[in-house]
Amino acid sequence: GAVVSQHPSRVICKSGTSVKIECRSLDFQATTMFWYRQFPKQSLMLMATSNEGSKATYEQGVEKDKFLINHASLTLSTLTVTSAHPEDSSFYICSARPLTGTGYTFGSGTRLTVV
Amino acid sequence: QQQVKQSPQSLIVQKGGISIINCAYENTAFDYFPWYQQFPGKGPALLIAIRPDVSEKKEGRFTISFNKSAKQFSLHIMDSQPGDSATYFCAASMGSGNTGKLIFGQGTTLQVKP
Repeated sequence: GAVVSQHPSRVICKSGTSVKIECRSLDFQATTMFWYRQFPKQSLMLMATSNEGSKATYEQGVEKDKFLINHASLTLSTLTVTSAHPEDSSFYICSARPLTGTGYTFGSGTRLTVV
Repeated sequence: QQQVKQSPQSLIVQKGGISIINCAYENTAFDYFPWYQQFPGKGPALLIAIRPDVSEKKEGRFTISFNKSAKQFSLHIMDSQPGDSATYFCAASMGSGNTGKLIFGQGTTLQVKP
């Protein structure tokens, strides 16, 4: 079945630094990838939709300059949290939709802790 | 109109019992309704999905019931097991799962007691 690999699974960074999270579709091509943020005991909140080769579409209230998304190939999207602050600490999850076929496959998530 | 409302927030079921989680939506343009299971510290995994042209879909112990006129759908977990203890999310999207973004319900934390 479709597999999405997300790295790193956990990262701790200092306040003010930037962190990059990678999302790879391992056995399929994904024209569209999605980035979510999830707080403890809450639902997934869509942050942005990225399409290969074009600019990401951000949801209302999400700072595009803080959460930089790059989708340079059909198998890789990256989320960079710039100038991270403790309030950015959260669980970040990516999802990929295949070029052909239906459905959305999720990565295993990245636990970001900003200290 | 983009919301998907899910209930209950939490559910405790005895082993062997039936777990039932409900979702309601407003946007009639939604045409793809998946259910996801999420364990702590992991990403959601697709359990089962349905399109509005059918009223029920069963895969193993998991069944989706879909009521198009009421704009409601539910997940039934038969013979619930302790290993089913997890958080369950319903979702909806447009474009038959080929396009559009997923809108998630609030989630239901299921605990199955041995």
